Amino acid sequence: GENVEQHPSTLSVQEGDSAVIKCTYSDSASNYFPWYKQELGKRPQLIIDIRSNVGEKKDQRIAVTLNKTAKHFSLHITETQPEDSAVYFCAAYGGSEKLVFGKGMKLTVNP
Amino acid sequence: DTGVSQDPRHKITKRGQNVTFRCDPISEHNRLYWYRQTLGQGPEFLTYFQNEAQLEKSRLLSDRFSAERPKGSFSTLEIQRTEQGDSAMYLCASSLDRGRSIYFGEGSWLTVV
Repeated sequence: GENVEQHPSTLSVQEGDSAVIKCTYSDSASNYFPWYKQELGKRPQLIIDIRSNVGEKKDQRIAVTLNKTAKHFSLHITETQPEDSAVYFCAAYGGSEKLVFGKGMKLTVNP
Repeated sequence: DTGVSQDPRHKITKRGQNVTFRCDPISEHNRLYWYRQTLGQGPEFLTYFQNEAQLEKSRLLSDRFSAERPKGSFSTLEIQRTEQGDSAMYLCASSLDRGRSIYFGEGSWLTVV
């Protein structure tokens, strides 16, 4: 079945810096890659997603890239703000018709 | 905007008791998923429905767990004879159809004492 690896597990940046989270997946049939932000005690919130027919997608300060050949995808956050502090999960969806999540990355943005 | 709603939000129960969680998906969403999340981990898949049909169950879902989605609307997840290892947040999610964006509810926290 699908396996999603996510790294780093924690990241601390200064406000205004950029943050990058990287994920790899194993199932070449996976074709949809969402990213979720989860604050303590809250629901995973869908922030951006990308499908396998595009290589990059941007929404204001966040962007995702996908490399199907290498089976990895990344989340880029620019001009980070303290409210970006949360746990970020990548996930992959494909032949199994369910989301398989990475273990998450805790981002801390220091003011 | 009526997102995915779950009830109850928190449940404390004694070991051996049965508990039931309810999920109301976003209106017109055909797919409904149940996930379980423990502290410091990503959500783990439990089961999913396409309308009223339960299409897949994870090996994590022992025979003490049962899920239903009568009439393809709301869903219930029942845990019988709860164990301390069942303590987790149970997340429900829904999507319009296969391959579409998946939205999560706020979760139901279960503590088994």
